[in-house]
Amino acid sequence: GQQLNQSPQSMFIQEGEDVSMNCTSSSIFNTWLWYKQEPGEGPVLLIALYKAGELTSNGRLTAQFGITRKDSFLNISASIPSDVGIYFCAGQRRGSQGNLIFGKGTKLSVKP
Amino acid sequence: GAVVSQHPSRVICKSGTSVKIECRSLDFQATTMFWYRQFPKQSLMLMATSNEGSKATYEQGVEKDKFLINHASLTLSTLTVTSAHPEDSSFYICSAQPNTDTQYFGPGTRLTVL
Repeated sequence: GQQLNQSPQSMFIQEGEDVSMNCTSSSIFNTWLWYKQEPGEGPVLLIALYKAGELTSNGRLTAQFGITRKDSFLNISASIPSDVGIYFCAGQRRGSQGNLIFGKGTKLSVKP
Repeated sequence: GAVVSQHPSRVICKSGTSVKIECRSLDFQATTMFWYRQFPKQSLMLMATSNEGSKATYEQGVEKDKFLINHASLTLSTLTVTSAHPEDSSFYICSAQPNTDTQYFGPGTRLTVL
């Protein structure tokens, strides 16, 4: 099925560093969602974005809905070991019955 | 709020048997639920959209007779993998939609077919 372009594919960072990842698409989305998935678990919703240009924070996480509606980024500030996991972006188009299109994920590793 | 459960969390079965996986929204009603499949180190792939009281909508390439979906109530959807074979081994994840803009995922079910 169709997927979004998510980058980077993986990141190895030191504890305390900031992290940035993004997703791009050739088509417009009306909703962008960011999820975190840990091994053997289902994805957990981190941030939901509903409006172009919207910037939303959730603790140390900040995400933005691109003004063109074709991209979104997620930033994590001052990373900690428990931030380890795979982060997925997901986009939803209006009238798609809620169907999400997922990025391939960004695997984050944090070195204490 | 917005908790979705799945049962069982892990199942091992013999080839040829059928396996039923339940997905429940615990604290909200979900007119629509979704079933995904995830292979190791890959993203989630949508299998089907489950609508309460009507037939599921399957994605291209997903056999509807193989993966039976029933959405009998606003809080329960079931996926039955019929006549399972080793290639059906995977991580199956459901999600539920309290509104049209957000989906909450269950913890997943690891299916291993011997």
